[in-house]
Amino acid sequence: KNEVEQSPQNLTAQEGEFITINCSYSVGISALHWLQQHPGGGIVSLFMLSSGKKKHGRLIATINIQEKHSSLHITASHPRDSAVYICAVEGGTGNQFYFGTGTSLTVIP
Amino acid sequence: DAGVIQSPRHEVTEMGQEVTLRCKPISGHNSLFWYRQTMMRGLELLIYFNNNVPIDDSGMPEDRFSAKMPNASFSTLKIQPSEPRDSAVYFCASSLAGGLSYEQYFGPGTRLTVT
Repeated sequence: KNEVEQSPQNLTAQEGEFITINCSYSVGISALHWLQQHPGGGIVSLFMLSSGKKKHGRLIATINIQEKHSSLHITASHPRDSAVYICAVEGGTGNQFYFGTGTSLTVIP
Repeated sequence: DAGVIQSPRHEVTEMGQEVTLRCKPISGHNSLFWYRQTMMRGLELLIYFNNNVPIDDSGMPEDRFSAKMPNASFSTLKIQPSEPRDSAVYFCASSLAGGLSYEQYFGPGTRLTVT
């Protein structure tokens, strides 16, 4: 069983749509990260959060510690948002770092 | 700042050869992380350093892998001897403060192919 599960695995949206990517985890955590990996391979850290909600431009990340769930929202999606979005949590026994398998997002013009 | 710098960007080597990957973290960052990404296993944390000291190397797959950080501005990940299953993209990342609970800045990665 994976400690971090993401859904959906693949997502195709029309430009302008509101997008939600979900992340559920099974371990106690101290922090959760959302990463964006561009088609060229580069990885960018979007958010690091341990409670509540964070917003950066059109991106919003929320976390519910009790439910062990986080969501990444993209408002007014754009083709340049096409990327793989990876959820990662820090926690568990020995304070490990666990990664989801990623959500591949394609935004069509 | 130039960001995290990794070299080489691409490496092709034959099985059994020694491979050394290099990373220069962002100046002033105290933590450095080595990751490996494959299609099968996704992204995995191999090892991370705080203030040049290895903190957690439980992700290092086996004794063929070793990592060093001789000073605050340089780290190496060495594979000796290399095997085809080591083929992956290896990312280095750094963060301002110690531990995992801080924003990390990733380098462009080194794509390793072992034939």
